[in-house]
Amino acid sequence: AIQLTQSPSSLSASVGDRVTITCRASQGISSALAWYQQKPGKAPKVLIYDASSLESGVPSRFSGSGSGTDFTLTISSLQPEDFATYYCQQFNSYPTFGQGTRLEIK
Amino acid sequence: QITLKESGPTLVKPTQTLTLTCSFSGFSLTTTGVGVGWIRQPPGKALEWLALIYWDDDKRYSPSLQSRLTITKDTSKNQVVLTMTNMDPVDTATYYCAHRLSSGWFDYWGQGTLVTVSS
Repeated sequence: AIQLTQSPSSLSASVGDRVTITCRASQGISSALAWYQQKPGKAPKVLIYDASSLESGVPSRFSGSGSGTDFTLTISSLQPEDFATYYCQQFNSYPTFGQGTRLEIK
Repeated sequence: QITLKESGPTLVKPTQTLTLTCSFSGFSLTTTGVGVGWIRQPPGKALEWLALIYWDDDKRYSPSLQSRLTITKDTSKNQVVLTMTNMDPVDTATYYCAHRLSSGWFDYWGQGTLVTVSS
């Protein structure tokens, strides 16, 4: 099974900050990675697919990069609505998710 | 517009079998490349993929739960059914169904249904 390790597990930041979350795969997955945002009591919402492609309707302050085993999700300027939990998911083999990164208001 | 909605019992007893139904609209499970998956999330914990079924009836299961899971589809009703046998309190979770293209990510999700396993 391909394991995904996200860091940090939690993060405190302020509105306007630039934030980066990383996701490391236990083996190479090319660009077969997606990022999701989940707010309390809601289903996850896809933000990024194929490691760096922005899902339609997602603000351009979200960006993704990486390939192989190391990936990042960057939010260029945090907005109040961005405080949520973020998950990476690989689809190189059967799907697996990272353990999540909780983004909190400082 | 693609929508999915999960339905099933909110409470099951240990050792019982759980049956969940995903009813969807806005797409067909007869279209090449289309799939529907099930993902669960225990309270306060991470997402865990369970099973997938594709337009051609190809089925995939989480290796750790494969012996307990069965996924089927009814294309005439636009439904996907997941059964999970021998339920245990650790299976308490919100269960989601989601649309997936063969490319691999889950682009549309249902609202989820909370299933509690308790005697």
